Amino acid sequence: LAKTTQPISMDSYEGQEVNITCSHNNIATNDYITWYQQFPSQGPRFIIQGYKTKVTNEVASLFIPADRKSSTLSLPRVSLSDTAVYYCLVVSGGYNKLIFGAGTRLAVHP
Amino acid sequence: SQTIHQWPATLVQPVGSPLSLECTVEGTSNPNLYWYRQAAGRGLQLLFYSVGIGQISSEVPQNLSASRPQDRQFILSSKKLLLSDSGFYLCAWSAPGHTMNTEAFFGQGTRLTVV
Repeated sequence: LAKTTQPISMDSYEGQEVNITCSHNNIATNDYITWYQQFPSQGPRFIIQGYKTKVTNEVASLFIPADRKSSTLSLPRVSLSDTAVYYCLVVSGGYNKLIFGAGTRLAVHP
Repeated sequence: SQTIHQWPATLVQPVGSPLSLECTVEGTSNPNLYWYRQAAGRGLQLLFYSVGIGQISSEVPQNLSASRPQDRQFILSSKKLLLSDSGFYLCAWSAPGHTMNTEAFFGQGTRLTVV
């Protein structure tokens, strides 16, 4: 399984765009990139999944360069309620063994 | 729709006592099932992973065991709890691997304190 590396923490302000980058240098051909969000005392919640290029949903966008060795989760116009821990996972397609790293602790300030 | 039930929400147990946490999933068949533990301020540690009845993969050596007696039931157990077993335990399910969908759904968690 590909190991992921992401910043331990980030700070932002309400209304700003936040970009969290994750590196996964040894990603395999059939691996997918997935991001989760976790609030205190709750289980993680799926945000977005991608394989290559760009994926967008109502919550976030995921940018994946051609070499797929990194990915960037983009949160547009964050609010205080976006304060949470964000996890980047690399998951083998067809296997679905979900290994979480330490995540990035995002703090959004007024 | 699919739902996941995990109980109890909180539990205080003395050292050396047994443990049984139960998780059930409704509305889906042959799910992948997971048990995670999260220490305070830390990330999630995958404890057990199951792709079917009786098929359990243990991810870390520890004082815990897991069983899957039915397709949508996943049980986490211990014969004798240690202080280090304290933490937030989360059960999760995801669709069978062949669907290429990596979305997992988590239960509400059990906060276990071993005293």
